[in-house]
Amino acid sequence: SAVISQKPSRDICQRGTSLTIQCQVDSQVTMMFWYRQQPGQSLTLIATANQGSEATYESGFVIDKFPISRPNLTFSTLTVSNMSPEDSSIYLCSVAIGLANSYEQYFGPGTRLTVT
Amino acid sequence: GQQLNQSPQSMFIQEGEDVSMNCTSSSIFNTWLWYKQDPGEGPVLLIALYKAGELTSNGRLTAQFGITRKDSFLNISASIPSDVGIYFCAGPKISGGSNYKLTFGKGTLLTVNP
Repeated sequence: SAVISQKPSRDICQRGTSLTIQCQVDSQVTMMFWYRQQPGQSLTLIATANQGSEATYESGFVIDKFPISRPNLTFSTLTVSNMSPEDSSIYLCSVAIGLANSYEQYFGPGTRLTVT
Repeated sequence: GQQLNQSPQSMFIQEGEDVSMNCTSSSIFNTWLWYKQDPGEGPVLLIALYKAGELTSNGRLTAQFGITRKDSFLNISASIPSDVGIYFCAGPKISGGSNYKLTFGKGTLLTVNP
């Protein structure tokens, strides 16, 4: 398994500002992801954070809005840029561990973001 | 893309009752994962299933990987108030060699009345 911590756990931000969320894992992992969970909804993958290269973004998410850093195999950051109230969500860091066809995926506690 | 159909959407039960929820897909999965999410927390992995027909237990929880590889169910026996939460099924898609992505069901909200 993996133990994942996120900072901050929650924040209230003004529209137009940016927030950077940090994710720390207790072991080296290859696959790290960022998800968004809007109120009352399931989880939506934002991007895969690739170590040493640009993140791979899902449809509907772009680097200018959600820049991601992955400087090493235990740490990543997600920035929510130029925020609007529609960005109010829980943002979750996640890692997948295992071999092909037998992965287990673990999640951090989430960062609850409210944009006013 | 792949869709996971999870049902029921919500359940209201009395403490002590058994609960069953399931997920179906039009696509074949090689793995099924079941999560529980408490309010204000991230999802916690409950059970992972890797083989068609596999039946796995974790305490009062039992999950099965359907023979067709297109469905899975999760049972909770003798429910207690702390079972309250949202339960998600999830299955990974691996494409393009190493492009791994986990798809989630929409969740089952479980309420347990003491």
